[in-house]
Amino acid sequence: EVQLVQSGAEVKKPGESLKISCKGSGYSFTSYWIGWVRQMPGKGLEWMGIINPGDSETKYSPSFQGQVTISADKSIRTAYLQWSSLKATDTAMFYCARLRGISHFDYWGQGTLVPVSS
Amino acid sequence: EIVLTQSPATLSLSPGERATLSCRASQSVSTYLAWYQQKPGQAPRLLIFDASNRATGIPARFSGSGSGTDFTLTISSLEAEDFAVYYCQQRSDWPRALLTFGGGTKVQIK
Repeated sequence: EVQLVQSGAEVKKPGESLKISCKGSGYSFTSYWIGWVRQMPGKGLEWMGIINPGDSETKYSPSFQGQVTISADKSIRTAYLQWSSLKATDTAMFYCARLRGISHFDYWGQGTLVPVSS
Repeated sequence: EIVLTQSPATLSLSPGERATLSCRASQSVSTYLAWYQQKPGQAPRLLIFDASNRATGIPARFSGSGSGTDFTLTISSLEAEDFAVYYCQQRSDWPRALLTFGGGTKVQIK
């Protein structure tokens, strides 16, 4: 069974750093790109970027380029999304998802909630 | 960057009625168009990929059509569990691989 299991909710303050994770199981981890999607409170889905866990090639949405870093460690089948300095406006739910056919997301993680508040 | 515009923003229908949701792209995306369903407190779920292919386990009452810039998701007869928000998503030509989501259509009970 394909599963993506994300790390738990994190309550952070502005200026703090954060790295959240997404662990894949039940499939060949290096054969599919993994993507990250943001959903701000009460809003729609926003694609942030994708990574090829096999060689760590990444592609970012122009809206998120330079704002976050996507990485992966294929030895432990885990992808990451990190911030060096959070802002209150980063408050959102973040989902990881497996990219199938390099076109659509067929399996999703359960989401990681990141509230950022002073 | 390709923009996806979904309409209507909200659709108020009764169980048993037919739902027709639209997604329009600002330029051609061929058939690289997917539809997702999201219920409150849940992750999105893939319904349709490549414009018209149902994902595994998706009931036959869900169908997708279109190509180029105009796409439609149809729910032939709404069931109670279908009231949710629906998003379309496209992928631009590889290797640029820019993905975008539409703003969503909420299907609510009338």
